[in-house]
Amino acid sequence: AQSVTQPDIHITVSEGASLELRCNYSYGATPYLFWYVQSPGQGLQLLLKYFSGDTLVQGIKGFEAEFKRSQSSFNLRKPSVHWSDAAEYFCAVGAGFGNEKLTFGTGTRLTIIP
Amino acid sequence: SAVISQKPSRDICQRGTSLTIQCQVDSQVTMMFWYRQQPGQSLTLIATANQGSEATYESGFVIDKFPISRPNLTFSTLTVSNMSPEDSSIYLCSGRGGGRSETQYFGPGTRLLVL
Repeated sequence: AQSVTQPDIHITVSEGASLELRCNYSYGATPYLFWYVQSPGQGLQLLLKYFSGDTLVQGIKGFEAEFKRSQSSFNLRKPSVHWSDAAEYFCAVGAGFGNEKLTFGTGTRLTIIP
Repeated sequence: SAVISQKPSRDICQRGTSLTIQCQVDSQVTMMFWYRQQPGQSLTLIATANQGSEATYESGFVIDKFPISRPNLTFSTLTVSNMSPEDSSIYLCSGRGGGRSETQYFGPGTRLLVL
């Protein structure tokens, strides 16, 4: 069965600093990978997704992620964070015939300090 | 993209009662799903809501506890039955198209507190 590990429960970053959130997955086939963000009191918003092709994926809000098959990783990065980026970030892997069943990691809570 | 709404947005319920959560999508989607997010935890898939037939439940979830309906391509309900405090969670609805590369869109969630 597939699984996703987000080793960092909570990360604190200064505004304007760079960010990297880690994600490792376990899946027997070529994975479909996603990063979602959940702001307080909100639902989940898709930041980016990887299905195939270029391993560096660009998303919304200036985020990008790199798929590294050799490391089973899909880390999320942003060169300069903004206070509005404070939220919970979830990595997910899709499984099932149409890759529709999402297995989520436990999430990383991002705090931004001035 | 699809815009998904849920009602109610939050509720406080007494143990032993049931609550039905509604999910509405603004466009037709092939697949709809229900997830649970327990306090401080990640999302867990409860079931796939199938149009016109019984939902497909994941391991650990049963129809008697979480009956689901999907009468058409844009609407689904989840009922949390005979509630206990352990059912206090956020319940999220999602939808997507049928292709392999489709994006899954999520509703804002229903925050349930059971006393």
